[in-house]
Amino acid sequence: AQKVTQAQTEISVVEKEDVTLDCVYETRDTTYYLFWYKQPPSGELVFLIRRNSFDEQNEISGRYSWNFQKSTSSFNFTITASQVVDSAVYFCAFRGTGANNLFFGTGTRLTVIP
Amino acid sequence: GAGVSQSPRYKVAKRGQDVALRCDPISGHVSLFWYQQALGQGPEFLTYFQNEAQLDKSGLPSDRFFAERPEGSVSTLKIQRTQQEDSAVYLCASSLAGVRNSPLHFGNGTRLTVT
Repeated sequence: AQKVTQAQTEISVVEKEDVTLDCVYETRDTTYYLFWYKQPPSGELVFLIRRNSFDEQNEISGRYSWNFQKSTSSFNFTITASQVVDSAVYFCAFRGTGANNLFFGTGTRLTVIP
Repeated sequence: GAGVSQSPRYKVAKRGQDVALRCDPISGHVSLFWYQQALGQGPEFLTYFQNEAQLDKSGLPSDRFFAERPEGSVSTLKIQRTQQEDSAVYLCASSLAGVRNSPLHFGNGTRLTVT
């Protein structure tokens, strides 16, 4: 069975600090997709990034970067120079072979203190 | 519209009442999903439509939950005889069909409170 674990329930950092959100997944599928979503206080889930299992190239988008490592089944998310607007709950999600729906982790609540 | 639209934004129901939650997906998105998000938890899958066909309803928690999408666009999630444990945020999402890595685009959700 697929499983997504976000061990960090809550993280607090001071503005401008870097922070890494961990995501570990379990699957027997050889082809799968990983996603990160941001849920601000407004409640809407905002898509941030997707990765395919056959593409381990890390990605950087502005202050955001993602480190995908199949060897450790991890897909970690780093925010550099955090800002107050980054305060939200962040969800890692998984979609397996032949599946249409996403399976979400329990989320990490990030608070950036000014 | 540009995004997924859900209504109402908030719904308070007395235990035993029926409720209907509406979702208007992104134009051109043939896949539509309903998720339930309890307080402090991640979204949990309820059901999936491709056009008007309900292809997966394995996540519906009981036969009191019913979803439809009769014309392949707007969808309604109906909960009959609501119970307190049904209190949650109900999220609707849409995506392009047949593209495995296509992300789901979510609406703002409907927060249901059963008293």
